[in-house]
Amino acid sequence: SQTIHQWPATLVQPVGSPLSLECTVEGTSNPNLYWYRQAAGRGLQLLFYSVGIGQISSEVPQNLSASRPQDRQFILSSKKLLLSDSGFYLCAWKEGGVGVGYGYTFGSGTRLTVV
Amino acid sequence: SQKIEQNSEALNIQEGKTATLTCNYTNYSPAYLQWYRQDPGRGPVFLLLIRENEKEKRKERLKVTFDTTLKQSLFHITASQPADSATYLCALDKRAGGFKTIFGAGTRLFVKA
Repeated sequence: SQTIHQWPATLVQPVGSPLSLECTVEGTSNPNLYWYRQAAGRGLQLLFYSVGIGQISSEVPQNLSASRPQDRQFILSSKKLLLSDSGFYLCAWKEGGVGVGYGYTFGSGTRLTVV
Repeated sequence: SQKIEQNSEALNIQEGKTATLTCNYTNYSPAYLQWYRQDPGRGPVFLLLIRENEKEKRKERLKVTFDTTLKQSLFHITASQPADSATYLCALDKRAGGFKTIFGAGTRLFVKA
């Protein structure tokens, strides 16, 4: 079965510091991978998605970036964090991509607090 | 603009009763509608998906309806239990031509013993 690992679970970072969140998927090959952010009381916001190694699409212009160095690895990064980057970050995998009729499998999430 | 709305007020019900959660959307023609459960501090867990040509879908104590005329989905939990207490999210997918799923903010459900 497919599993998705995401770490760390919580992170407190000062403003201006760099960020690296990692996500790996097991049990599938060439998955479509997503990074979402969830703010309190708001719906999940899609940040990036990737259909393959080195292929990244950005949904929201911001100071975050994503990379996919390996088939089952997806990394979210920032060179300098802002206070507004605080939130709950979720990595997700979806068979066949959006519109193919499957639900997302989400990681356990990373709670990021920028201070 | 496209909008998906779920009741922001928490729903409190007694154990054994049926919980009904609502998801309304505007300016959108979804091909699929999904429901997720999310516990505090955890990622959402996929529960059910219903297609635009389906009126109703069931899974154990869960039932989802999808009315594309009313632009509404109802999510029912029958014989509710305290363990059903969580936040429930709905999400819409286009058929093709895009990579964006839109998520509602969720409705918090409390089931009292």
